[in-house]
Amino acid sequence: DADVTQTPRNRITKTGKRIMLECSQTKGHDRMYWYRQDPGLGLRLIYYSFDVKDINKGEISDGYSVSRQAQAKFSLSLESAIPNQTALYFCATGVLGAGELFFGEGSRLTVL
Amino acid sequence: GENVEQHPSTLSVQEGDSAVIKCTYSDSASNYFPWYKQELGKRPQLIIDIRSNVGEKKDQRIAVTLNKTAKHFSLHITETQPEDSAVYFCAVTSNSNSGYALNFGKGTSLLVTP
Repeated sequence: DADVTQTPRNRITKTGKRIMLECSQTKGHDRMYWYRQDPGLGLRLIYYSFDVKDINKGEISDGYSVSRQAQAKFSLSLESAIPNQTALYFCATGVLGAGELFFGEGSRLTVL
Repeated sequence: GENVEQHPSTLSVQEGDSAVIKCTYSDSASNYFPWYKQELGKRPQLIIDIRSNVGEKKDQRIAVTLNKTAKHFSLHITETQPEDSAVYFCAVTSNSNSGYALNFGKGTSLLVTP
């Protein structure tokens, strides 16, 4: 099945460490997104990319960076993790002209 | 980004009753309004959406209504069942020079009790 795959699914790390969350998709979609989910705050957009050469900041990009290595791969990095970055992170994909986003299964990150 | 207000944050109904969740938005240029359902421990999945040229859309027990003048839209679930228990998110497109991204409401936790 064409899908959106996130790795790792769970990660515990310490303050100050560099962390990378990876997302790959087999849907052939051009658009990829990173969202963060916190209880009571919904899904907040961190970064999004409409093709390999296009990167856009979302509403909460501070402390994060991204890389679109290929059409199918979009990674999220925390250069120096801090405890308030503890959250569930979702990657999503979509296509131009269509509205639906397809989410990965999520990556739960805990920063101690 | 686009400001999306979603109410209520929690909703408890008896099986068979109806449930209504409402969202308001601020950008009159927004033109796409989806609803996502997230079951416990799962990823969000689209359940229904509506575009700005339509006032209402139905799919079996769920429906979405849109009032562009008032800038609000609602999700209606009729004949609720325990498997409808989940967190529901509304979303709105925000147009930018680069295209659009979805901005989500904070979610409504729906509990359907037998």
